[in-house]
Amino acid sequence: AQSVTQPDIHITVSEGASLELRCNYSYGATPYLFWYVQSPGQGLQLLLKYFSGDTLVQGIKGFEAEFKRSQSSFNLRKPSVHWSDAAEYFCAVAPFTSGTYKYIFGTGTRLKVLA
Amino acid sequence: GAGVSQSPSNKVTEKGKDVELRCDPISGHTALYWYRQRLGQGLEFLIYFQGNSAPDKSGLPSDRFSAERTGESVSTLTIQRTQQEDSAVYLCASSLSGNAETQYFGPGTRLLVL
Repeated sequence: AQSVTQPDIHITVSEGASLELRCNYSYGATPYLFWYVQSPGQGLQLLLKYFSGDTLVQGIKGFEAEFKRSQSSFNLRKPSVHWSDAAEYFCAVAPFTSGTYKYIFGTGTRLKVLA
Repeated sequence: GAGVSQSPSNKVTEKGKDVELRCDPISGHTALYWYRQRLGQGLEFLIYFQGNSAPDKSGLPSDRFSAERTGESVSTLTIQRTQQEDSAVYLCASSLSGNAETQYFGPGTRLLVL
C-alpha cells in the first residue's frame, strides 16, 4: 500500500543548530514530493516540492530537501534553525493514480526550538 | 481571491446535528480538495473536484459525509448526524489543475462535536 512515513513525531533543537526531518515513502514509481509547514492556527504552507531533475531542492525560509531514489526518502534540512521555525512539518507524496493526483500525507513532525 | 478561505473557522455542534462547512478556492483554480486532520494526525484525503468531472469521493469515511461544488467556485462539505469521532479540523485546498499542481490550503474549520 502507498504510504508516507515520518518516523520522528517530535524533534527538539536549539536555535542555530542544524535540522533534518525524515520522510520515507512507499510507492513503486517516483511520486511527486512535497514538504509543508503548519504553524499554530495557520493553514499549511508549501516549503518546497520535487517533480524531477536535480535531486536537491531549495525552498522558502532557507529549507532544502534531497530526494534519494535508492532510499525512497525525501528528507528536509535547514543548516541553522530560527525560533520562528517551531511548527509542524508534513511530508506529502502525490502518486499518479487513475488519472488523478491525491496527496498522501505523513503524520507530521512537530519541531520545538530552544532559545 | 488572495487565498483559500473557509468558514466558519470554528464550529461546535451537538451529536446528531448536521453541519455545513464552506470553502472558497483561489479564483481560477479548477481543482479543489477536502481533507480531515484529526488531533495529532496527518491529513486524510476526503474528496477531490476537478472542473466538471465527476468528483473522486473515495476518501469519504461514511455516507454521512457529502460535498458539492458549483462549477469552479465554492464548495460545501456536509456532515449529517454528526458523531463525536467527526471532531477534527477540516481543511480545503485548491490548485490550478489536478495534475499534481501545488495545493494551496485554507486555514481550516475546527469542528467539535459534543
